[in-house]
Amino acid sequence: GAVVSQHPSWVICKSGTSVKIECRSLDFQATTMFWYRQFPKQSLMLMATSNEGSKATYEQGVEKDKFLINHASLTLSTLTVTSAHPEDSSFYICSASGQGADYEQYFGPGTRLTVT
Amino acid sequence: AQRVTQPEKLLSVFKGAPVELKCNYSYSGSPELFWYVQYSRQRLQLLLRHISRESIKGFTADLNKGETSFHLKKPFAQEEDSAMYYCALRTGGFKTIFGAGTRLFVKA
Repeated sequence: GAVVSQHPSWVICKSGTSVKIECRSLDFQATTMFWYRQFPKQSLMLMATSNEGSKATYEQGVEKDKFLINHASLTLSTLTVTSAHPEDSSFYICSASGQGADYEQYFGPGTRLTVT
Repeated sequence: AQRVTQPEKLLSVFKGAPVELKCNYSYSGSPELFWYVQYSRQRLQLLLRHISRESIKGFTADLNKGETSFHLKKPFAQEEDSAMYYCALRTGGFKTIFGAGTRLFVKA
């Protein structure tokens, strides 16, 4: 099956700094990528949807200036958490979907962000 | 409003017993429903989708539009089925909404 990778798998940063998380589709072209956030013992919350070459569509309540998403190529999307605060500490998961009738989403392993 | 409800946070059954993980949805359009599974320390992966109407690892799920349900069933649970299960609804524009998840624990 298709593989989606995320880097880094975990990151610790200081409050006020920015951190970038990468999401790559390794063996297929991802027309659409999704970014989710998951709090401990809770479900995945969709943050934004991005299509290659277009601006991301953010869900209600998600600050687009704080969570910058770039989908510059069909295999790479990045999420940058700007001016991170402790409340941004969470598990961030990306998923990717290719073209075609299948539209199956393939999930990355997630990135654990801890802001101190 | 678009919503997926999984009423049980935890479901514990004995090995060999039948399992049913409940899922109800709220969506005004034509729904596309999925079950995803997350085994310990692994990423989320697709278990099955309603349009496929197939059985995966012995699990089946039938979409009941009248009851707006998509319950996941397996006649005989196995220990390796212990995992977190998420019901998901895909709406227009490929947006997928996840339920809160049910942790299935199969006891020996």
